[in-house]
Amino acid sequence: DAKTTQPNSMESNEEEPVHLPCNHSTISGTDYIHWYRQLPSQGPEYVIHGLTSNVNNRMASLAIAEDRKSSTLILHRATLRDAAVYYCVSGNTPLVFGKGTRLSVIA
Amino acid sequence: NAGVTQTPKFQVLKTGQSMTLQCAQDMNHNSMYWYRQDPGMGLRLIYYSASEGTTDKGEVPNGYNVSRLNKREFSLRLESAAPSQTSVYFCASSERGYHDRVYGNTIYFGEGSWLTVV
Repeated sequence: DAKTTQPNSMESNEEEPVHLPCNHSTISGTDYIHWYRQLPSQGPEYVIHGLTSNVNNRMASLAIAEDRKSSTLILHRATLRDAAVYYCVSGNTPLVFGKGTRLSVIA
Repeated sequence: NAGVTQTPKFQVLKTGQSMTLQCAQDMNHNSMYWYRQDPGMGLRLIYYSASEGTTDKGEVPNGYNVSRLNKREFSLRLESAAPSQTSVYFCASSERGYHDRVYGNTIYFGEGSWLTVV
């Protein structure tokens, strides 16, 4: 599976947009990019995924670089409930999770 | 909507004891997984099952056994628990076989089982 690189932690102010970066320079042409998040004391939950085009859903947006070597998860307006560890995962067989980015949201 | 259900949620074991973590999903998913998560670490895959009757080792299978009892259920057994197995265990499932590269493969997780081995 492709390896991903994320910052260990990030901080955001409440109601500000948040851009969480991920590098996946060894991704293959058919590997999807997935984002999950893990709230405290809970299991990870699916956020969004994409292949080549930018994607939007009710939780977030995913911006994928043209060369697919990096992507950015965008939370348009961070709330305190968005404080979590965010995992960027690529590949399919089966998904391998790294340590993710711990997002802190400041009121 | 139950999704993925794990039992028990909390368990304390003595070194050398055995136990089984149970997992069931009600989404008619083909693939199921067991991960463990240690403090400050990411998720590490223990075993997975592409379909009923098949199981494969993940990154950290030593000390564990699994059974895919039917399409719904996937259990994880610790035969002789060790303190190094103190962890949070997550069961998960996905709709398509994990080799399906056409549509991606969203995974749904249970709430976790906190296991302490003393």
